[in-house]
Amino acid sequence: GAVVSQHPSWVICKSGTSVKIECRSLDFQATTMFWYRQFPKQSLMLMATSNEGSKATYEQGVEKDKFLINHASLTLSTLTVTSAHPEDSSFYICSARDQGLAGTDTQYFGPGTRLTVL
Amino acid sequence: QKEVEQNSGPLSVPEGAIASLNCTYSDRVSQSFFWYRQYSGKSPELIMSIYSNGDKEDGRFTAQLNKASQYVSLLIRDSQPSDSATYLCAVNLIYNQGGKLIFGQGTELSVKP
Repeated sequence: GAVVSQHPSWVICKSGTSVKIECRSLDFQATTMFWYRQFPKQSLMLMATSNEGSKATYEQGVEKDKFLINHASLTLSTLTVTSAHPEDSSFYICSARDQGLAGTDTQYFGPGTRLTVL
Repeated sequence: QKEVEQNSGPLSVPEGAIASLNCTYSDRVSQSFFWYRQYSGKSPELIMSIYSNGDKEDGRFTAQLNKASQYVSLLIRDSQPSDSATYLCAVNLIYNQGGKLIFGQGTELSVKP
């Protein structure tokens, strides 16, 4: 099956610093990747859609200047949390869109990155 | 009305029983349907995808799709304690831009030994 990796799996940082999270599709090319955030006991919340070679599309209420997304290749998207604060502490999960066989269009999730901001 | 609805549960079944998870969706043009399993503290894992009406079986899992009634279900046969997780129903609209999935709130399943 399709494999998506994320790095790092967890990170602890000081308030005010920036953190970069990488999302890679390992065995397929993904022109589209998605970034989600999930707080404990809550549902997945889509933050943005990352498109290779173009600007990301952000969901309503998500600050594009705070959550910088770059999708420079067909297998890599990065999310940078700038000037992180304790309220940004969360579980960040990416997914990659696999448009494989005719008629199939599937998202595969990475293992997630747990961010703790002190 | 929410676009994708699931009972939040928890749904509790004894080990070996059939667990039945249901999901309804509001948009008739929806074309692709998915079930993901999410263990506590982990990311979602794809269990089943279904694109046409009827049943699709994969091991102990069967997905059922009825577009006329706008529902999709997941049956888990011979439920095991390891199946205890939150199950997410997701829908992909055919005219949706960029393949964004619409998720239900998830159904928590507990399989008791």
